Amino acid sequence: KAGVTQTPRYLIKTRGQQVTLSCSPISGHRSVSWYQQTPGQGLQFLFEYFSETQRNKGNFPGRFSGRQFSNSRSEMNVSTLELGDSALYLCASSPSGGARDTQYFGPGTRLTVL
Amino acid sequence: KQEVTQIPAALSVPEGENLVLNCSFTDSAIYNLQWFRQDPGKGLTSLLLIQSSQREQTSGRLNASLDKSSGRSTLYIAASQPGDSATYLCAVGSSGSNYQLIWGAGTKLIIKP
Repeated sequence: KAGVTQTPRYLIKTRGQQVTLSCSPISGHRSVSWYQQTPGQGLQFLFEYFSETQRNKGNFPGRFSGRQFSNSRSEMNVSTLELGDSALYLCASSPSGGARDTQYFGPGTRLTVL
Repeated sequence: KQEVTQIPAALSVPEGENLVLNCSFTDSAIYNLQWFRQDPGKGLTSLLLIQSSQREQTSGRLNASLDKSSGRSTLYIAASQPGDSATYLCAVGSSGSNYQLIWGAGTKLIIKP
């Protein structure tokens, strides 16, 4: 079974721009969670989508948003980029139990904001 | 607010040794606790998941324990190998309706051949 895939793997943007990251979960998984990892703050939970609905949400500003499609693929959007948004963005998929179940991570998207 | 601490931040041991990684959390009202490893340039790999009602979980050379009352979990690695070198992260799953993983900063483990 193919693992979780994330595209693109690397991105360079400038302040004020917006960016969209994509995550394809393991086949059959209905839950996708997104995380931000930075050297200063470590790993932080952004949100979880399950069957096209946002089910859980972390403590990030509204500039961070996401959605999930009927095939469980998910996208995360960050608008009005700030320097502090530079990070590794990880997504993880889980089977029918959702994020409370074992999570399987993708390799991440490295975002650099200049 | 839940806080998760992992000590030590880094650990270097010779191959073959048994070792223990520590994780502590401030709020005992948790749903579950998970241990992950992260290899450079790669994503995270789930190692063990312990439900709040469980005391321990085992997988191969790995054993994780959970003591909710004291807010502690340990990851025991038996007969360490160079391939075990990675950063090990502990994450606490919150109780309540808005489930999320609260992460420790990790322990960077180096196994010397």
